[in-house]
Amino acid sequence: DADVTQTPRNRITKTGKRIMLECSQTKGHDRMYWYRQDPGLGLRLIYYSFDVKDINKGEISDGYSVSRQAQAKFSLSLESAIPNQTALYFCATSDFSDRDTGELFFGEGSRLTVL
Amino acid sequence: QKEVEQDPGPLSVPEGAIVSLNCTYSNSAFQYFMWYRQYSRKGPELLMYTYSSGNKEDGRFTAQVDKSSKYISLFIRDSQPSDSATYLCAMSNAGNMLTFGGGTRLMVKP
Repeated sequence: DADVTQTPRNRITKTGKRIMLECSQTKGHDRMYWYRQDPGLGLRLIYYSFDVKDINKGEISDGYSVSRQAQAKFSLSLESAIPNQTALYFCATSDFSDRDTGELFFGEGSRLTVL
Repeated sequence: QKEVEQDPGPLSVPEGAIVSLNCTYSNSAFQYFMWYRQYSRKGPELLMYTYSSGNKEDGRFTAQVDKSSKYISLFIRDSQPSDSATYLCAMSNAGNMLTFGGGTRLMVKP
């Protein structure tokens, strides 16, 4: 099983619908992140959490919310999806001891299409 | 202008070629420089990490950082078809808060 698991892997939805993307990890890391990837724009940080009681906005948090349900679980919600939120979404984890190397461990991605 | 610029490619080379991938950046505070490799339909994986200026070698891969020019490079020697992937540079000045380039797609033809 993958160390960082994202569900669903693919989702097609309509404008205005509420969507939740879920992430769970077995690496025992305290830090978790949500990124979106768009062609040519690389990975952009949406939200991050350094522990269960810590939630921080990233570069592009508008239109998104998150919940850290446990150390191993971090979900991303789109309250009312819009077409420009069509993208590939990645969950990632890291350990405090790797804070300088910048090593993030990514899931395999959730492809979201908003029609 | 984006903080980190990277040519999107695609870059197509024959097997065995030396590949040079590059990023430029504008934030002089960046101190940590990384290269991630992303295969199709997979998440990125850390390939190399460098702190400040200088070179770092790992097998067929060499990472170079020139802070005076705000320019970083990744060289791949004796490139293989299995090196075909998207390469993302990333950098930071505070540990894990990374700023990524847009990625360069590399194709190594047998």
